[in-house]
Amino acid sequence: GIQVEQSPPDLILQEGANSTLRCNFSDSVNNLQWFHQNPWGQLINLFYIPSGTKQNGRLSATTVATERYSLLYISSSQTTDSGVYFCAVDRLRGAQKLVFGQGTRLTINP
Amino acid sequence: EAGVAQSPRYKIIEKRQSVAFWCNPISGHATLYWYQQILGQGPKLLIQFQNNGVVDDSQLPKDRFSAERLKGVDSTLKIQPAKLEDSAVYLCASSLNRGIHTQYFGPGTRLTVL
Repeated sequence: GIQVEQSPPDLILQEGANSTLRCNFSDSVNNLQWFHQNPWGQLINLFYIPSGTKQNGRLSATTVATERYSLLYISSSQTTDSGVYFCAVDRLRGAQKLVFGQGTRLTINP
Repeated sequence: EAGVAQSPRYKIIEKRQSVAFWCNPISGHATLYWYQQILGQGPKLLIQFQNNGVVDDSQLPKDRFSAERLKGVDSTLKIQPAKLEDSAVYLCASSLNRGIHTQYFGPGTRLTVL
């Protein structure tokens, strides 16, 4: 099946810093989503981005489908950005199901 | 628009007991998913329904897990008998349809098996 690798596994930053999270995948995809799992366990959709670039406030994401990677940018980090960020993909011509990476745990200190 | 609802939020049982989880998807969403998330890992798909039919249950331990989605709306996931390694968060998600559609997740049920 498709492999999804996220880096770094852990990231600790001070409030106000910027960060870049990476997601590499091993096959062509027709669905890629970024999620934030908050400390209470709720998975929140950030972006649906199988290709191209999107921005939502302090967050933006870019997927380069031909090179099989996606990046999530967080600018001016706030403590509420803490949690685990997951990338999930659905393989092109696949079983139409999301496969999740292991996540990046982000901690923003005040 | 109401989100995906799940209950209970927490459940503690002893091994070999049975347990059931309930999920109500977003209104109008044809596709419903159950995921298992073990501590420190990403969610893993257990079963996927399209309306009231199963389209993928390849990772469901069918000797002890079962799921149904009667009338194509609510769904229940059952474990009988539970094992220690079933301790996890069980997440329900729904999407408008299969394939290239955003999945929306419920708050999850945290199961502890003692």
